Amino acid sequence: AQSVAQPEDQVNVAEGNPLTVKCTYSVSGNPYLFWYVQYPNRGLQFLLKYITGDNLVKGSYGFEAEFNKSQTSFHLKKPSALVSDSALYFCAVRDGGYNFNKFYFGSGTKLNVKP
Amino acid sequence: SAVISQKPSRDICQRGTSLTIQCQVDSQVTMMFWYRQQPGQSLTLIATANQGSEATYESGFVIDKFPISRPNLTFSTLTVSNMSPEDSSIYLCSVVPEAGRTDTQYFGPGTRLTVL
Repeated sequence: AQSVAQPEDQVNVAEGNPLTVKCTYSVSGNPYLFWYVQYPNRGLQFLLKYITGDNLVKGSYGFEAEFNKSQTSFHLKKPSALVSDSALYFCAVRDGGYNFNKFYFGSGTKLNVKP
Repeated sequence: SAVISQKPSRDICQRGTSLTIQCQVDSQVTMMFWYRQQPGQSLTLIATANQGSEATYESGFVIDKFPISRPNLTFSTLTVSNMSPEDSSIYLCSVVPEAGRTDTQYFGPGTRLTVL
């Protein structure tokens, strides 16, 4: 069965410092991996995805994610955090098999960026 | 991508009543889904809205409680029936525009429901 784990409920980082939000996954077949961000009182916004190719994927708002097949991880990163990055971040994996239209979401990680 | 709107954006309802949430997309899309996000929690898939046929419900969700319509490729409704305070959640509509296996899912802004 497909699953996604976000081991940290909350990540605190100072503005200007690099940030990492962790995600590990379990899939059968090729992983299709996604990151979404949710600002307060808003829906989820798509940040980036990994389908195939280069292990470092660049997305919106300066975010990037590194796919690591051996560690089954897809951590979200940003070189320099902004206070406005404070939000709830969700990692998701898409079923690569028969139920390929099902997405599995992690529990979410709250990112707090302090000035 | 797709631009998705939901109505209402929020509502406060009395227990025992029903609320219908609308989801409108600016273009025809292949797949439409309804999720629930309870306070402080992740997303739970309620059902896949199928155009022209009955929705496909996930385990723990039934049609009598969450009837869904999808009359065309740009519109769907979710009704939360006979509401109780446990139904207080954000309800999110999402779409996958194309039929490809690698396509992205996009979300509406959500409907914040409070049941008293």
